Amino acid sequence: GNSVTQMEGPVTLSEEAFLTINCTYTATGYPSLFWYVQYPGEGLQLLLKATKADDKGSNKGFEATYRKETTSFHLEKGSVQVSDSAVYFCALRMYGGYNKLIFGAGTRLAVHP
Amino acid sequence: GAGVSQTPSNKVTEKGKYVELRCDPISGHTALYWYRQSLGQGPEFLIYFQGTGAADDSGLPNDRFFAVRPEGSVSTLKIQRTERGDSAVYLCASSSPTSESTDTQYFGPGTRLTVL
Repeated sequence: GNSVTQMEGPVTLSEEAFLTINCTYTATGYPSLFWYVQYPGEGLQLLLKATKADDKGSNKGFEATYRKETTSFHLEKGSVQVSDSAVYFCALRMYGGYNKLIFGAGTRLAVHP
Repeated sequence: GAGVSQTPSNKVTEKGKYVELRCDPISGHTALYWYRQSLGQGPEFLIYFQGTGAADDSGLPNDRFFAVRPEGSVSTLKIQRTERGDSAVYLCASSSPTSESTDTQYFGPGTRLTVL
């Protein structure tokens, strides 16, 4: 079946460090890919998305590129801030799949000053 | 504008009891989704409504779970004979899909259900 695998957390970084959170997927077709973020005490928010191979999604300094050959959608940021501390979820949605999202288990990021 | 709201924010119940969880989607959003998030896990899909009808209920775990959306707006997730394993955060999301490629789901804050 369709699934998403994320690197386990927590990921602990110092402010201004480079961030990578790995995400790989298994899908029977060509999904759309998403990163959602959950800040402490808040609901899930869409961070970025990509709908086809080689697309790059970007928002708030975060980027992720849809790599069909490696079935990956790794999240990166060049310089993290304390305010980026949150749980990050990678997700996919299959075309014709009635829009339901399939999520990974989430990766907690803690950024220290 | 107002986002997706869910009530109650917390619900504690005893094993075997019946509970109802409510979701108010963003005004005008025709699509509504329920997900369940267990501790340390990502959200898992339960059911998807397009308008008043359930277009996909393949994620409902068993027949103790049921959801309705009678007027195409507010939705209620109903759980009968609750079990301790039902304890989780129940998330609602809504969207206004003009096309699959542009659809974005907006999530509510969730209802934390605890079954004692």
